Amino acid sequence: QKEVEQNSGPLSVPEGAIASLNCTYSDRGSQSFFWYRQYSGKSPELIMSIYSNGDKEDGRFTAQLNKASQYVSLLIRDSQPSDSATYLCAVNMGEYGNKLVFGAGTILRVKS
Amino acid sequence: ETGVTQTPRHLVMGMTNKKSLKCEQHLGHNAMYWYKQSAKKPLELMFVYNFKEQTENNSVPSRFSPECPNSSHLFLHLHTLQPEDSALYLCASSPPFGEQYFGPGTRLTVT
Repeated sequence: QKEVEQNSGPLSVPEGAIASLNCTYSDRGSQSFFWYRQYSGKSPELIMSIYSNGDKEDGRFTAQLNKASQYVSLLIRDSQPSDSATYLCAVNMGEYGNKLVFGAGTILRVKS
Repeated sequence: ETGVTQTPRHLVMGMTNKKSLKCEQHLGHNAMYWYKQSAKKPLELMFVYNFKEQTENNSVPSRFSPECPNSSHLFLHLHTLQPEDSALYLCASSPPFGEQYFGPGTRLTVT
């Protein structure tokens, strides 16, 4: 069965620190990877996508992908209390390129 | 309206009722999806439609019946549901091979 694994947390970091969220996946053929943020009671919000090995930066967020190790991570710099949410890793495992498999999510708490 | 909209936002139904969830996307996408999110469980893909054609049914019970009349609209028809079907039902859309954007969801309670 194709799977995406995340540490459920909670991950607690002080305000201003770097939060590091990790994800591993089972399908070696996956080509696209996504990070979503979900606040309690709300729907998932896309924050980053990454398709190639290496780093991709967008503001305070950096996604990192290592296909050989089947590993994708999200770094949040200068963490703010408003970043407190559940972060979902999603990996595209469909032959038509649109079947996302989600991890269970990591709860992030940023303490002021 | 912008993005992906869903109605109703909340629904309470008995096990013998029939109801429908509606999703509409205003993004010009060609693919639409239904997901189920239960407490303490990962998001589960239910159905995928590409250009109005169903391309994925993730072993969903027949009491859930999807309908996609065009690339902008998606319905989920519900009948004789069970209490364990209570969950947040999310609709999403995407361009081909692209990023998926979610609607706000319908919180369903089956009594």
